[in-house]
Amino acid sequence: QQPVQSPQAVILREGEDAVINCSSSKALYSVHWYRQKHGEAPVFLMILLKGGEQKGHEKISASFNEKKQQSSLYLTASQLSYSGTYFCGTELAGNQFYFGTGTSLTVIP
Amino acid sequence: KAGVTQTPRYLIKTRGQQVTLSCSPISGHRSVSWYQQTPGQGLQFLFEYFSETQRNKGNFPGRFSGRQFSNSRSEMNVSTLELGDSALYLCASRIWGTDFSYEQYFGPGTRLTVT
Repeated sequence: QQPVQSPQAVILREGEDAVINCSSSKALYSVHWYRQKHGEAPVFLMILLKGGEQKGHEKISASFNEKKQQSSLYLTASQLSYSGTYFCGTELAGNQFYFGTGTSLTVIP
Repeated sequence: KAGVTQTPRYLIKTRGQQVTLSCSPISGHRSVSWYQQTPGQGLQFLFEYFSETQRNKGNFPGRFSGRQFSNSRSEMNVSTLELGDSALYLCASRIWGTDFSYEQYFGPGTRLTVT
């Protein structure tokens, strides 16, 4: 039931774009995205709900394909502060929640 | 508004002992979830409590248990500790709702080391 994320790791130069994917084998109620910096707790970025409603970070966008149970997080014009591990979290019916294994993103000057 | 707090922040225990971790949610948040984070397994869901009742449970052995009090504070207990229980234990709180999905706010975690 744990969603699968890809890629596992990515290195970008400042200003470049990145896409992180999240895929589940279960029907999803919502998808959450979080970022965790080294030694810190995960921080909420965005929620995507069935039906297209979104709530989250103004500089980050994401999509949710309900038919394929997939979500993608789009990071554009990356900054050094974007470095960290990104987790998708999938919420099933009954509020069951599972995090993916994470994608390590490193932005270099 | 104060964030999620967890105590203690660090803990060293010996195999076979038991441990209790504490979590105080953000004021007004009635749902508390617990996660185990290890380098190889990522964030693994342990359980979620709402209104003093366990609402969901992950795939962990019965040595892992929890409870929630009437003020929404939660405790997690691990009995008969094993070396593999060494991990960062994160607590997260959120508003509970069946008609909407709410974001989780994480505490700083308790780093448990079992020797």
